[in-house]
Order: sequence, then structure tokens, then C-alpha cells
Amino acid sequence: AQSVTQPDIHITVSEGASLELRCNYSYGATPYLFWYVQSPGQGLQLLLKYFSGDTLVQGIKGFEAEFKRSQSSFNLRKPSVHWSDAAEYFCAVGAPGNQFYFGTGTSLTVIP
Amino acid sequence: GAVVSQHPSRVICKSGTSVKIECRSLDFQATTMFWYRQFPKQSLMLMATSNEGSKATYEQGVEKDKFLINHASLTLSTLTVTSAHPEDSSFYICSAGGDLRGYTFGSGTRLTVV
Repeated sequence: AQSVTQPDIHITVSEGASLELRCNYSYGATPYLFWYVQSPGQGLQLLLKYFSGDTLVQGIKGFEAEFKRSQSSFNLRKPSVHWSDAAEYFCAVGAPGNQFYFGTGTSLTVIP
Repeated sequence: GAVVSQHPSRVICKSGTSVKIECRSLDFQATTMFWYRQFPKQSLMLMATSNEGSKATYEQGVEKDKFLINHASLTLSTLTVTSAHPEDSSFYICSAGGDLRGYTFGSGTRLTVV
């Protein structure tokens, strides 16, 4: 069965600190993996995606993610968090022409 | 590129009326569009897959007579919530694109039924 697990419902970090959001997936075929960010009342913005090749992918806003097939994980990282990064983050798995499966999201709070 | 426009962004309607939400791909053709629903503080759940020129495919538990989907062109899909009730109040998001660019999402529609 296809599924995505984001173990952390809510994370609080200090501005300037590093960040790692966890994502584990279960998918029956070669996974295409995505991270999206959602600000309150807004749609989804794509941060980065992994299809193949280098397992460390760079995204927008200084985010990166690493695909680890052996661990079925695709964790999102940022070296130094900014206050504007406070939002909801969704990990998703899917394939072209097929639906996406989303995790339940991780809410990020950034404290000064 | 790969811009999806969703309209309206917010709508308030009276119970029993119908509401239409539009999802347009602005700079590409989308033979497939997806409609998701998001309850407060929850993840996105797929409601239906909209295929240009054919009937939509609905997920289990989604009332096809209540959530009418029309995908009449390669750039437009519409979701009509018929005879809306307060429990239909939610955030509806569409996505389009089935190639390796990855799915692009609309900005969402906040529906409030009073």
C-alpha cells in the first residue's frame, strides 16, 4: 500500500538553528518524492522533488532533501531557519500520471 | 512555467446552493487534473481524478453526484459542490500536470457553507 509518514506533527526551532523534517514512505514502484510548503490559507508550493540520480537534491529557499532508499526516507533539511519558514510542510510520493499520497504534515514554528 | 490558477480563492454560500470552483493550467495542457480536499490541520485527501474528455474517477467515499467534475478542455477542470451543506466546508485544492515537472497545485479555495 502507498503511504507517507511524517512522524513529527509539530516542530519548534529557534531562528538560525538547523532543521530536519522527517518523511518515510511506502510505495509499490519507483518513488517520485516531493516536499511542499503551505502557508496558512494558501495552496501548496513545491520546495523540491526527487525522481532519480543524485540522492541529495537542492530546492528553493535553501532547503535540501536526501533520498535514502534503504531507509525509505526523504528527509528535508535546512542549515539555518528563518522566521519566514514557519509554515506547514508536506511530504508526498507519487508518479507521473498518478495521484499523490501526502503525509499528514509537520507544522513548523520558528521562535526568535 | 507550470502555473495552475484556481478560482475563487474564497467563497461563502448558503446551505442548499451550489458552488463551482475552476482550475486552469495557464501555460501547459493538462489531460489529467486532481481534486483534493483538506480539512483543518489535516493532510490532503484525493477526491477525484479529472480526465479531459471523459468521466472523472472518484475515490471511495466521495459522492459523485454531490461533487460534479467537468474537464471539458485541456486547460480547465471544474468542481461543482451541489446542494452544499456546512459539512462540505473545507479547503479544496486542484493539481495538474502528469509529467516529470511534478504536479503543480492551485492556490486553493476556502469554501464556507452557512
